Formats: sequence, C-alpha cells, structure tokens
Amino acid sequence: KAGVTQTPRYLIKTRGQQVTLSCSPISGHRSVSWYQQTPGQGLQFLFEYFSETQRNKGNFPGRFSGRQFSNSRSEMNVSTLELGDSALYLCASSRSGTAPNEKLFFGSGTQLSVL
Amino acid sequence: AQSVTQLGSHVSVSEGALVLLRCNYSSSVPPYLFWYVQYPNQGLQLLLKYTTGATLVKGINGFEAEFKKSETSFHLTKPSAHMSDAAEYFCAVSQGNTGNQFYFGTGTSLTVIP
Repeated sequence: KAGVTQTPRYLIKTRGQQVTLSCSPISGHRSVSWYQQTPGQGLQFLFEYFSETQRNKGNFPGRFSGRQFSNSRSEMNVSTLELGDSALYLCASSRSGTAPNEKLFFGSGTQLSVL
Repeated sequence: AQSVTQLGSHVSVSEGALVLLRCNYSSSVPPYLFWYVQYPNQGLQLLLKYTTGATLVKGINGFEAEFKKSETSFHLTKPSAHMSDAAEYFCAVSQGNTGNQFYFGTGTSLTVIP
C-alpha cells in the first residue's frame, strides 16, 4: 500500500509569489491534515479536510488556504509569500478523522524556501 | 486550550544508556497523548499512544511511555539506546471533540554517542 505522497519535494520561490503544494493520502483515508514545521517551533496545525470540507483550522492568516478533492487528494495554497513562510510543510492522512486517538500517517513533506 | 511542552530541545546519550525524553501537557479534559519520531528527510511516524486504560504504554523499537495524570506528564523512555534511535521526537496531544487536530511540542533531537 502506497504511503502519503507529497509533491514537489522542494520548492524555491520569491517573496510575493504564490505556491501550491499537493498531497495524496493513503488509499481509503478520508481525512487530510496540513502542518507547518520550522526549527524551534515544532509542528503547527494549519487545517484539516474531511470529505472535501474544511473541518478544523489553525491560527494562520488567510494567505494559507486549502482544498480537498473527491478522491481525497488535497492541495494547499499560500499566496503573497513572505520570508517567514519558509518551512517544511507536512501532510498527514488518517482513515476517518473521527476518532481523536486515530493514528496519523505523514508524508515526507515539501520543503519551501522563500527568497 | 491544549498545549505540549517538551523539556530539552537536544538530548545526548551514550549507546546502551537510558533514554528519557520529557513531555508535559496542558489540557482541560482527559487527553489523548502521542509520541512521534522523525528520521532525517522523512515524515513523522507513530511510536506509541495513550488513550485510556493502562498508563504504561509500550510502543515500537523498545520505547515506552507512562501517563501520569497527577504530574500532567507523558515521558518517553527506552532502557538501552541504539545508534538507530538518533532522530527528532515529538510529543503530541489531541482532544476528543476537535476531530483530527493535534498539538505538537517543539521536538527533542536525540543524539546517540557511540
């Protein structure tokens, strides 16, 4: 069974640009969450999607948005990039997303560098 | 609001020595607690989790953690460190009524000295 796949693996952008990251969850998983990982900050929750609906949202500005498609694949978009957006963006999927003790399966992440 | 504090951003142990990584949580309701491990250039993978029942939880690779409600702690231990244990370790908490929203600590980088 294939794991969580994130593309691209690396991205370099300049300030003011926008970027779209992609995440394909494990087959059969319906919940997809996104996290931003930076040194010293750990992982910070961005948002979670379930059945094409955003169910939870973290404390990030509106420049960060996402969506989920009918096949559970998810995309995350960041508009008007800032230097501080440089981070590893991790996607995680889980089977139903309805049990709080459900195991998350993480992708390897997309490393975004904003110059 | 929930939060997790990991004491010590860097921990070094000798190969064969005890590993102890500390995690304290803050939660207004009984929490669900997790430890995840991240190897270089990889995503996170679950080591172990506490939901209900036995407070001593055993995970993969010989790790275990004990839930202590009175101390609001969930420290991770391993009796004998191996070189392959070198990684970043994250403690996380989730709350029952927020769906799939996890709060992670800032991580502890474990170095194993040969």
